[in-house]
Amino acid sequence: QLQLQESGPGLVKPSETLSLTCTVPDDSMRSSGYFWGWIRQPPGKGLEWIASIYYNGATHYNPSLKSRVAISIDTSKNQFSLTLSSLTAADTAVYYCARDCISSGPWYFDLWGRGTLVTVSS
Amino acid sequence: DIQMTQSPSSLPASVGDRLTITCRASQSINNNLNWYQHKPGQAPKLLIYAASTLQSGVPSRFSGSGSGTDFTLTISSLQPEDFATYFCQQSFNAFRTFGQGTKVDI
Repeated sequence: QLQLQESGPGLVKPSETLSLTCTVPDDSMRSSGYFWGWIRQPPGKGLEWIASIYYNGATHYNPSLKSRVAISIDTSKNQFSLTLSSLTAADTAVYYCARDCISSGPWYFDLWGRGTLVTVSS
Repeated sequence: DIQMTQSPSSLPASVGDRLTITCRASQSINNNLNWYQHKPGQAPKLLIYAASTLQSGVPSRFSGSGSGTDFTLTISSLQPEDFATYFCQQSFNAFRTFGQGTKVDI
């Protein structure tokens, strides 16, 4: 089954910057019908949307994280990336990337990755 | 941000049961509500979008209803492969928010 693939370090130290990359298995990244997003789930908690990016570089950010987050896209590599700075233990979570279908009507995340666990600890 | 309140958080069930999960938005979101299924170690799977539209390939025992602030996900006859966590998500605006999830287990 088609799915996205997250990659990045499993362990990062407090105050450092996390960098994650999501690889898209087809050419849909060049389509105008999708945004590309990052979502996380801390242990025992619900899902939290972090940020989304369009193929042309347009972005949306969660206001609560905006000062620490940057999302970027490289359509030539079929990848988009997330950086999250000034990490604390509260950033420990499973991080998911997802494709956000916007082609018609209400938007929805129609394709996800399995997620990657990121632990913030010294 | 729009708060999504999902209930129950846990739902003991048996094969063949009819289940209903509810999701309430803190403001009207029209029909901008999606439902997902999530199993441990797997990618979340879209079940229902636009409140009631079944995603391609999803069995017809899954259905969604509602509009405005109150929504439901129904599984008409629970199958063994349906034991999972289900969560709702609103897409009324760019700031997406999710329900806390409902774990369906034995």
